[in-house]
Amino acid sequence: AQTVTQSQPEMSVQEAETVTLSCTYDTSENNYYLFWYKQPPSRQMILVIRQEAYKQQNATENRFSVNFQKAAKSFSLKISDSQLGDTAMYFCAFMIGGGGADGLTFGKGTHLIIQP
Amino acid sequence: NAGVMQNPRHLVRRRGQEARLRCSPMKGHSHVYWYRQLPEEGLKFMVYLQKENIIDESGMPKERFSAEFPKEGPSILRIQQVVRGDSAAYFCASSPNPGQNTGELFFGEGSRLTVL
Repeated sequence: AQTVTQSQPEMSVQEAETVTLSCTYDTSENNYYLFWYKQPPSRQMILVIRQEAYKQQNATENRFSVNFQKAAKSFSLKISDSQLGDTAMYFCAFMIGGGGADGLTFGKGTHLIIQP
Repeated sequence: NAGVMQNPRHLVRRRGQEARLRCSPMKGHSHVYWYRQLPEEGLKFMVYLQKENIIDESGMPKERFSAEFPKEGPSILRIQQVVRGDSAAYFCASSPNPGQNTGELFFGEGSRLTVL
């Protein structure tokens, strides 16, 4: 079974600062995907970024980037130039390649607060 | 292209009543996942369905809970004889054939069940 651990229940930074959210996972699989989802107060789950395990290059989406360390089973999210709208719960998630029968395994989340 | 549609968005039930939550996947998606989110928690997998088949229900309680995804119509998560502990947000997600997709699930906005 896969597990995903997010060790930071809550983080708070000033607007325009850079913040890094940590995530570690445990699996015996070699083919898998990793995701960061954002859940704002509206509770909609929004995909922020996705990483394929077989790709060495770290995924980047505008102000969002990841630091994927496969050997260490670490998948942190960096948010640059943080904005007030980035305030949300952030969930790290794992899926076995090919679409595992149980879909995504989520961490417990990090509540990110961006202060004006 | 409409996203994943869930209804009702909010449902209030008294203990012992039945709750029915509906999910229409994205057009062209034939795979549906149901997740439950308790307050201050991440999403927990409940059940994975294809049209007319339950593929994996390992995350769903054996009693009172059932799910279906008929040939025609939405997927339905049914909770009989609800108890206060069933109060949660229930999220549906869909994907195209998992063997061909990129691992991403597309989420609905969730249905919040409150049991009085």
